[in-house]
Amino acid sequence: EAGVTQFPSHSVIEKGQTVTLRCDPISGHDNLYWYRRVMGKEIKFLLHFVKESKQDESGMPNNRFLAERTGGTYSTLKVQPAELEDSGVYFCASSQVYRADGYTFGSGTRLTVV
Amino acid sequence: AQSVTQPDIHITVSEGASLELRCNYSYGATPYLFWYVQSPGQGLQLLLKYFSGDTLVQGIKGFEAEFKRSQSSFNLRKPSVHWSDAAEYFCAVGAENAGNMLTFGGGTRLMVKP
Repeated sequence: EAGVTQFPSHSVIEKGQTVTLRCDPISGHDNLYWYRRVMGKEIKFLLHFVKESKQDESGMPNNRFLAERTGGTYSTLKVQPAELEDSGVYFCASSQVYRADGYTFGSGTRLTVV
Repeated sequence: AQSVTQPDIHITVSEGASLELRCNYSYGATPYLFWYVQSPGQGLQLLLKYFSGDTLVQGIKGFEAEFKRSQSSFNLRKPSVHWSDAAEYFCAVGAENAGNMLTFGGGTRLMVKP
């Protein structure tokens, strides 16, 4: 089966611009998660979807970040406007079961804001 | 709140030597514990996990980890390192009362000398 796919793999944008990251989970996985790692720090949880609903968005840093999962399939994470501190690697993961051991991670999107 | 500490940011070992990567966690009950590896350009791959039962867990690629409740540790070991093991390793903890959100350590970058 295809794994979790993230687009783009790399993105370089200027401060103040908008960027949209996309994640395609494994087919049939209702649970979708976003994590990010900024500037060599810990990988941190951003939010969790169950189908199209946001189950937990406690990790979203501020209102410049908007995540959607229309139709319960792929998800997008939009950063608008981007700031320098948003640079890092954004990971998506999906799981079929509602348990931490069910994750499959994507390769990540490396975002650089200049 | 749960937390994970990986004391070693970088480790260099010679090929064929043994390896131990340290991980300490903070959590009030029995956590779910994980080790992930990220090779360059790849996503996070699950090496092994501990939920309950035998405290010595075997994983893929010849890795093992031992859960020591008294020391709040979950150290990763490999008896003989291969050059292909060079990567970044992440310890993570999940908890039943935290849904299935993972909390990661800061990672340990492993370099392997020929």
